[in-house]
Amino acid sequence: GIQVEQSPPDLILQEGANSTLRCNFSDSVNNLQWFHQNPWGQLINLFYIPSGTKQNGRLSATTVATERYSLLYISSSQTTDSGVYFCAVVLANFGNEKLTFGTGTRLTIIP
Amino acid sequence: AAGVIQSPRHLMKEKRETATLKCYPIPRHDTVYWYQQGPGQDPQFLISFYEKMQSDKGSIPDRFSAQQFSDYHSELNMSSLELGDSALYFCASSFGGNQPQHFGDGTRLSIL
Repeated sequence: GIQVEQSPPDLILQEGANSTLRCNFSDSVNNLQWFHQNPWGQLINLFYIPSGTKQNGRLSATTVATERYSLLYISSSQTTDSGVYFCAVVLANFGNEKLTFGTGTRLTIIP
Repeated sequence: AAGVIQSPRHLMKEKRETATLKCYPIPRHDTVYWYQQGPGQDPQFLISFYEKMQSDKGSIPDRFSAQQFSDYHSELNMSSLELGDSALYFCASSFGGNQPQHFGDGTRLSIL
């Protein structure tokens, strides 16, 4: 099956810092989503970004499908940004719709 | 905007008991997915339904079954519960395939 690797596994930053999270995937994909899992376990949808660049406030994401990677940028970090960030993809196979998640990046923002 | 609704939010059961988890997708969404997230792990796909028919199946134990009803809500039935079934169970929905999946808040199942 498709492999999804995220780096770094852990990241500790001061409030106000910027960060870049990376997601590499081993095969062509039809769907790529970024999620934030907060301390209460909720999976918050950040971006649906199979290709291109999107921005939403302090967050932005870029997917280069031909090179099989995606980046999530967080600027001016706040303590509420803490949690686990997951990248998830859908393999480009007919009839396949399931999301395969990466192992996540645990982000801790220190006040 | 309406979101995916899951119930119950928390559930405690004993070994060998049964459990039923419910999911109400976003209105007009025709595809429902179930995922299981063990402690410290990433979510793993269990099963999906498109227009009330099973469309894909992952590593779902034979003790688990699921269905989607005529009103598009879905239920995950779990029998002979084991300690290892303790996890966060998510339901997601989408409007067709290759569209963003929207997740509910999950059901936290604890097996005592």
